[in-house]
Amino acid sequence: EVQVLESGGGLVQPGGSLRVSCAASGFTFSNCAMSWVRQAPGKGLEWVSGITSSGDKTYYADSVKGRFTISRDNSKNTLHLQMDSLRAEDTALYYCAKDGVGGIPEYYFDYWGQGTLVTVSS
Amino acid sequence: EIVMTQSPATLSVSPGERATLSCRATQSVTSDLAWYQQKPGQGPRLLIYDASTRATGIPARFSGSGSGTEFTLTISSLQSEDFAVYYCQQYDDWPQTFGQGTKVEIK
Repeated sequence: EVQVLESGGGLVQPGGSLRVSCAASGFTFSNCAMSWVRQAPGKGLEWVSGITSSGDKTYYADSVKGRFTISRDNSKNTLHLQMDSLRAEDTALYYCAKDGVGGIPEYYFDYWGQGTLVTVSS
Repeated sequence: EIVMTQSPATLSVSPGERATLSCRATQSVTSDLAWYQQKPGQGPRLLIYDASTRATGIPARFSGSGSGTEFTLTISSLQSEDFAVYYCQQYDDWPQTFGQGTKVEIK
């Protein structure tokens, strides 16, 4: 059974940093591109960042470019998102999502976790 | 970026009735469109990809159609477990973008 489980969310002050992680199981992690998608409270879905299956290429939404860093450890089946210079508008539920096609994060998402909540507030 | 617009924002339907949800793109996305279902407290669930292909395990009452800029998700006979929010997503152009969602509620 495919599972992705996010962790690491919490309350952080504006300008602060936080790292969220995703533990994957039930599929060959190293063959799959992965992404982070967020959902602000009561709002819709926004793609944030993606990474190729090998980890050699990363992609970011303009809203987070230069502040967030996506990475992965294929030996541990884990995905990370390092978030720096956080702003109030980054407050959201952050979902880890598996790409439905293959090694490049440019398609639909066939499995999602339940999300981890990041709250940016003083 | 491509903007996806869903209509209506809320759809009130009785159990057993048909529900038709629409999604429009600001430019052609060919057939690179997916539909997701989201229930409270859960992550989205993939229903349809490539505009009309049902994902693994999705019941036949869910069907997708359309191409270019106009797409439709049809639920042929609503079951109690289908009341949720539905999102469309285009992946024809970077970045992938989502619609704002349609909430299907019990009439």
